[in-house]
Amino acid sequence: EVQLVESGGGLVQPRGSLRLSCAASGITFSNFWMSWVRQAPGKGLEWVANIKQDGSEKNYVDSVKGRFTISRDNAGNSLYLQMNSLRADDTAVYYCASNSYGYFVYWGQGALVTVSS
Amino acid sequence: DVQMTQSPSSLSTFVGDRVTITCRASQSISRHLNWYQHKPGKAPKLLIYAASSLQSGVPSRFSGSGSGTDFTLTISSLQPEDFATYYCQQSYSIPWTFGQGTKVEVK
Repeated sequence: EVQLVESGGGLVQPRGSLRLSCAASGITFSNFWMSWVRQAPGKGLEWVANIKQDGSEKNYVDSVKGRFTISRDNAGNSLYLQMNSLRADDTAVYYCASNSYGYFVYWGQGALVTVSS
Repeated sequence: DVQMTQSPSSLSTFVGDRVTITCRASQSISRHLNWYQHKPGKAPKLLIYAASSLQSGVPSRFSGSGSGTDFTLTISSLQPEDFATYYCQQSYSIPWTFGQGTKVEVK
């Protein structure tokens, strides 16, 4: 059974930092592009970032460029999202998801990030 | 960026009804269009990829069609477990973008 389990969410003050992790099992993690997708309260889904199998290519939505960094550890079957300079509009449930040709097959249950003073 | 627009934003319907949701892209995306089902507190679920390919394990009452800018998700006979929010997503160009969602509710 494929499992993606996010951790590291929580309450953080504006301009603070947080690091999300995603632990993968049941898949050959190193074979997949991986992404982070978020959903703000009462809003729809928004793709945030993705990373190639070997970590050599990364892409970001404009609103997080320069603030968020996606990374991975294939030996540990883990995906990360380092979030700096957090803003109120970054408040969301963050999902990790595997990519195949741009669509998301496997998803985690999500981690809630709340940016508030 | 490619903008995705879904209609309707919400609909109320009965079990057994045929449901059609449309998705329009702001430019041609060929057949790089995917559909997801999302229930509160759960992970989104891939239903359809590449416009019309049914994801493994998804019931055959779900189908997708379209190409270019106009796409459709059809549920042939709505079941109680199908009440959820549905999203389209383009995978033609980065940033990948989603429609705003269509909430399917019980009438």
